[in-house]
Amino acid sequence: EPEVTQTPSHQVTQMGQEVILRCVPISNHLYFYWYRQILGQKVEFLVSFYNNEISEKSEIFDDQFSVERPDGSNFTLKIRSTKLEDSAMYFCASIWWGGGSPLHFGNGTRLTVT
Amino acid sequence: KNEVEQSPQNLTAQEGEFITINCSYSVGISALHWLQQHPGGGIVSLFMLSSGKKKHGRLIATINIQEKHSSLHITASHPRDSAVYICAAEGTGNQFYFGTGTSLTVIP
Repeated sequence: EPEVTQTPSHQVTQMGQEVILRCVPISNHLYFYWYRQILGQKVEFLVSFYNNEISEKSEIFDDQFSVERPDGSNFTLKIRSTKLEDSAMYFCASIWWGGGSPLHFGNGTRLTVT
Repeated sequence: KNEVEQSPQNLTAQEGEFITINCSYSVGISALHWLQQHPGGGIVSLFMLSSGKKKHGRLIATINIQEKHSSLHITASHPRDSAVYICAAEGTGNQFYFGTGTSLTVIP
């Protein structure tokens, strides 16, 4: 069964550094999402992406964050200057079409900012 | 303001017990999703439903659109069912609103 893949599984970075989290959604899916989950807390929406542009973003998704779909398969989340509070599990998810298909998640990237 | 409320937050059951997890939502939805998050962190889709009832093995999900309420039932619970169960409401604009999750522990 096709799956969403995320790399790396774990990233450790120093405060102030840039990180890029990578995702390969399922190939025929149309909507892509980034979520984060701080340890012990609920899953939080960051951004949704459709038709090669951001369709919605949360207050968390400030100017430090950006997303790209550079080559039609990869879907990346960039954090320009990481802060300690960015430490979390970041999940990529994709869905074929809204309202009628399951949401598929990647296994997540655990980001640790020191 | 929480668009999705789940209860209970934590649940401990003896193996074999029938389990119910509840989800109420306040937004208009196109579908309601039940997800399972394993102790290792991965999230798996269990159900996606917009009306009625669905069953996969020992898991049953129901939804009442008028009451904006959904339930996830596990029959004959087993320790391997121990996980966090998350309700997510899919809004009409393809955005998702997540509940805080219900942490289930099934004791042998």
